Amino acid sequence: NAGVMQNPRHLVRRRGQEARLRCSPMKGHSHVYWYRQLPEEGLKFMVYLQKENIIDESGMPKERFSAEFPKEGPSILRIQQVVRGDSAAYFCASSPGTGGSYEQYFGPGTRLTVT
Amino acid sequence: AQSVSQHNHHVILSEAASLELGCNYSYGGTVNLFWYVQYPGQHLQLLLKYFSGDPLVKGIKGFEAEFIKSKFSFNLRKPSVQWSDTAEYFCAVAGGYSTLTFGKGTMLLVSP
Repeated sequence: NAGVMQNPRHLVRRRGQEARLRCSPMKGHSHVYWYRQLPEEGLKFMVYLQKENIIDESGMPKERFSAEFPKEGPSILRIQQVVRGDSAAYFCASSPGTGGSYEQYFGPGTRLTVT
Repeated sequence: AQSVSQHNHHVILSEAASLELGCNYSYGGTVNLFWYVQYPGQHLQLLLKYFSGDPLVKGIKGFEAEFIKSKFSFNLRKPSVQWSDTAEYFCAVAGGYSTLTFGKGTMLLVSP
Protein backbone atom coordinates (compact mmCIF):
# COMPACT_ATOMS: atom_id res chain seq x y z
CA ASN A 1 0.00 0.00 0.00
CA ALA A 2 1.67 3.18 -1.15
CA GLY A 3 1.99 5.92 1.41
CA VAL A 4 0.90 9.49 1.10
CA MET A 5 2.39 10.99 -2.04
CA GLN A 6 3.22 14.63 -2.50
CA ASN A 7 4.58 16.38 -5.54
CA PRO A 8 6.61 18.17 -6.35
CA ARG A 9 9.11 17.56 -3.58
CA HIS A 10 10.79 20.88 -4.25
CA LEU A 11 9.24 23.90 -5.88
CA VAL A 12 10.85 27.23 -6.67
CA ARG A 13 8.69 30.19 -7.54
CA ARG A 14 9.39 33.87 -8.09
CA ARG A 15 7.41 36.41 -6.13
CA GLY A 16 4.00 36.91 -7.68
CA GLN A 17 3.77 33.48 -9.29
CA GLU A 18 1.36 30.73 -8.35
CA ALA A 19 2.31 27.56 -6.51
CA ARG A 20 0.32 24.34 -6.76
CA LEU A 21 1.07 21.54 -4.34
CA ARG A 22 -0.44 18.10 -4.81
CA CYS A 23 -1.24 15.39 -2.32
CA SER A 24 -2.49 11.88 -3.02
CA PRO A 25 -3.74 10.24 0.18
CA MET A 26 -3.19 6.63 1.07
CA LYS A 27 -5.53 4.19 -0.60
CA GLY A 28 -8.82 4.08 1.26
CA HIS A 29 -8.26 7.39 3.04
CA SER A 30 -10.81 10.10 2.43
CA HIS A 31 -9.58 12.65 4.96
CA VAL A 32 -6.74 15.02 4.07
CA TYR A 33 -4.93 17.55 6.23
CA TRP A 34 -2.44 20.20 5.17
CA TYR A 35 0.23 21.57 7.52
CA ARG A 36 2.93 24.17 7.05
CA GLN A 37 6.34 24.14 8.69
CA LEU A 38 8.22 27.40 8.80
CA PRO A 39 11.95 27.43 9.67
CA GLU A 40 12.54 26.82 13.39
CA GLU A 41 8.83 26.19 13.91
CA GLY A 42 6.69 23.11 14.37
CA LEU A 43 4.02 22.12 11.93
CA LYS A 44 0.97 24.35 11.89
CA PHE A 45 -2.43 23.11 10.78
CA MET A 46 -3.84 24.82 7.72
CA VAL A 47 -6.89 22.99 6.39
CA TYR A 48 -8.82 19.74 6.71
CA LEU A 49 -10.75 18.36 3.76
CA GLN A 50 -12.87 15.41 2.88
CA LYS A 51 -13.79 14.53 -0.67
CA GLU A 52 -15.35 17.64 -2.27
CA ASN A 53 -15.70 19.39 1.10
CA ILE A 54 -13.61 21.75 3.18
CA ILE A 55 -14.33 20.82 6.78
CA ASP A 56 -12.01 23.15 8.69
CA GLU A 57 -9.92 25.91 7.18
CA SER A 58 -9.26 27.79 10.39
CA GLY A 59 -5.49 27.64 9.85
CA MET A 60 -5.49 28.97 6.32
CA PRO A 61 -4.41 32.54 5.61
CA LYS A 62 -7.48 34.48 4.48
CA GLU A 63 -5.98 35.63 1.21
CA ARG A 64 -4.09 33.93 -1.62
CA PHE A 65 -4.42 30.39 -0.20
CA SER A 66 -7.00 27.85 -1.25
CA ALA A 67 -7.39 24.09 -1.09
CA GLU A 68 -9.54 21.49 -2.73
CA PHE A 69 -10.00 17.73 -2.65
CA PRO A 70 -12.04 16.77 -5.70
CA LYS A 71 -14.01 13.58 -6.13
CA GLU A 72 -11.31 12.29 -8.43
CA GLY A 73 -7.64 13.11 -8.21
CA PRO A 74 -5.30 14.51 -5.60
CA SER A 75 -5.87 17.27 -3.10
CA ILE A 76 -4.43 20.59 -4.25
CA LEU A 77 -3.08 23.41 -2.10
CA ARG A 78 -2.87 26.54 -4.19
CA ILE A 79 -0.98 29.68 -3.28
CA GLN A 80 -1.51 32.67 -5.53
CA GLN A 81 0.92 35.56 -5.88
CA VAL A 82 3.51 33.97 -3.64
CA VAL A 83 5.66 36.09 -1.35
CA ARG A 84 8.97 35.30 0.37
CA GLY A 85 7.15 34.56 3.61
CA ASP A 86 5.41 31.60 1.93
CA SER A 87 8.75 29.76 1.75
CA ALA A 88 8.24 26.71 3.93
CA ALA A 89 7.73 22.98 3.92
CA TYR A 90 4.14 21.97 3.27
CA PHE A 91 3.05 18.59 4.55
CA CYS A 92 -0.04 16.64 3.71
CA ALA A 93 -1.47 13.90 5.90
CA SER A 94 -4.33 11.50 5.39
CA SER A 95 -6.44 9.31 7.62
CA PRO A 96 -9.21 6.78 7.08
CA GLY A 97 -11.60 8.57 9.43
CA THR A 98 -12.03 11.44 11.77
CA GLY A 99 -11.79 11.51 15.51
CA GLY A 100 -8.76 11.52 17.75
CA SER A 101 -8.22 7.78 17.57
CA TYR A 102 -7.36 7.87 13.88
CA GLU A 103 -3.70 8.18 13.09
CA GLN A 104 -2.61 10.62 10.43
CA TYR A 105 -0.07 9.40 7.90
CA PHE A 106 2.23 12.05 6.53
CA GLY A 107 3.68 12.56 3.11
CA PRO A 108 7.29 13.59 2.45
CA GLY A 109 6.39 17.24 2.07
CA THR A 110 6.87 19.89 -0.59
CA ARG A 111 9.58 22.42 0.07
CA LEU A 112 8.56 25.73 -1.46
CA THR A 113 11.18 28.39 -2.04
CA VAL A 114 10.10 31.82 -3.16
CA THR A 115 12.85 33.92 -4.72
CA ALA B 1 -7.30 26.71 21.85
CA GLN B 2 -4.82 23.93 22.40
CA SER B 3 -1.08 24.40 22.57
CA VAL B 4 1.96 22.16 22.94
CA SER B 5 5.26 23.11 24.52
CA GLN B 6 8.46 21.14 24.07
CA HIS B 7 11.11 22.09 26.58
CA ASN B 8 14.28 21.52 24.65
CA HIS B 9 14.97 22.62 21.10
CA HIS B 10 18.28 20.78 20.84
CA VAL B 11 19.56 17.79 22.77
CA ILE B 12 22.96 16.16 22.35
CA LEU B 13 23.62 12.73 23.83
CA SER B 14 26.20 10.02 23.56
CA GLU B 15 25.17 6.54 22.51
CA ALA B 16 23.74 4.44 25.36
CA ALA B 17 22.67 7.51 27.30
CA SER B 18 19.09 7.72 28.50
CA LEU B 19 16.69 10.11 26.86
CA GLU B 20 13.76 12.10 28.17
CA LEU B 21 12.10 14.78 26.05
CA GLY B 22 9.58 16.96 27.77
CA CYS B 23 6.16 17.84 26.38
CA ASN B 24 3.40 19.82 28.04
CA TYR B 25 0.07 20.53 26.47
CA SER B 26 -2.89 22.77 27.04
CA TYR B 27 -6.26 21.46 25.92
CA GLY B 28 -9.67 21.50 27.51
CA GLY B 29 -11.21 18.44 25.92
CA THR B 30 -10.52 14.72 25.71
CA VAL B 31 -6.84 14.31 25.12
CA ASN B 32 -5.27 12.35 22.30
CA LEU B 33 -1.49 12.69 22.32
CA PHE B 34 1.20 11.72 19.85
CA TRP B 35 4.91 11.69 19.36
CA TYR B 36 6.17 11.86 15.79
CA VAL B 37 9.74 11.50 14.56
CA GLN B 38 11.34 12.94 11.44
CA TYR B 39 14.61 11.32 10.44
CA PRO B 40 16.92 13.37 8.22
CA GLY B 41 15.46 13.61 4.74
CA GLN B 42 12.40 11.58 5.60
CA HIS B 43 8.76 12.28 6.35
CA LEU B 44 7.08 12.33 9.73
CA GLN B 45 6.46 8.92 11.25
CA LEU B 46 4.37 8.06 14.25
CA LEU B 47 6.39 6.85 17.25
CA LEU B 48 3.53 6.30 19.67
CA LYS B 49 0.11 7.58 20.64
CA TYR B 50 -2.12 7.82 23.70
CA PHE B 51 -5.90 7.78 23.51
CA SER B 52 -7.02 6.22 26.78
CA GLY B 53 -6.20 3.47 29.25
CA ASP B 54 -2.72 2.71 30.50
CA PRO B 55 -0.89 6.05 30.78
CA LEU B 56 2.42 4.38 29.98
CA VAL B 57 2.51 3.90 26.23
CA LYS B 58 5.02 1.76 24.36
CA GLY B 59 6.00 2.73 20.86
CA ILE B 60 8.32 1.60 18.14
CA LYS B 61 12.11 1.35 18.39
CA GLY B 62 12.10 1.10 22.18
CA PHE B 63 10.46 4.45 22.85
CA GLU B 64 7.81 4.98 25.49
CA ALA B 65 5.88 7.92 26.85
CA GLU B 66 3.96 8.57 30.03
CA PHE B 67 0.76 10.58 30.17
CA ILE B 68 0.49 12.44 33.49
CA LYS B 69 -2.87 14.15 33.51
CA SER B 70 -2.23 16.21 36.62
CA LYS B 71 0.89 17.70 35.06
CA PHE B 72 -0.52 18.02 31.52
CA SER B 73 2.59 16.21 30.37
CA PHE B 74 3.44 13.49 27.86
CA ASN B 75 7.19 13.01 28.09
CA LEU B 76 9.05 10.74 25.70
CA ARG B 77 11.69 8.35 27.03
CA LYS B 78 14.18 5.80 25.83
CA PRO B 79 16.56 3.99 28.21
CA SER B 80 19.49 3.79 25.80
CA VAL B 81 19.74 5.84 22.61
CA GLN B 82 21.53 4.82 19.44
CA TRP B 83 23.19 6.88 16.75
CA SER B 84 20.25 6.01 14.48
CA ASP B 85 17.90 7.88 16.82
CA THR B 86 19.33 11.17 15.55
CA ALA B 87 16.21 12.95 14.33
CA GLU B 88 13.72 15.66 15.13
CA TYR B 89 10.94 14.72 17.55
CA PHE B 90 7.53 16.36 17.65
CA CYS B 91 4.90 16.12 20.33
CA ALA B 92 1.30 16.74 19.19
CA VAL B 93 -2.21 16.87 20.57
CA ALA B 94 -5.32 16.11 18.50
CA GLY B 95 -8.15 18.58 18.74
CA GLY B 96 -11.44 19.00 16.95
CA TYR B 97 -11.69 17.07 13.65
CA SER B 98 -8.48 15.32 14.64
CA THR B 99 -6.40 18.28 13.53
CA LEU B 100 -3.01 18.11 15.18
CA THR B 101 -1.34 20.87 17.13
CA PHE B 102 2.40 20.34 17.19
CA GLY B 103 5.16 21.52 19.45
CA LYS B 104 8.15 23.24 17.87
CA GLY B 105 10.15 20.05 17.88
CA THR B 106 13.31 18.83 19.56
CA MET B 107 16.37 18.08 17.48
CA LEU B 108 18.20 15.10 18.97
CA LEU B 109 21.80 14.46 17.99
CA VAL B 110 23.33 11.21 19.17
CA SER B 111 27.09 10.99 18.91
CA PRO B 112 28.65 7.56 18.37
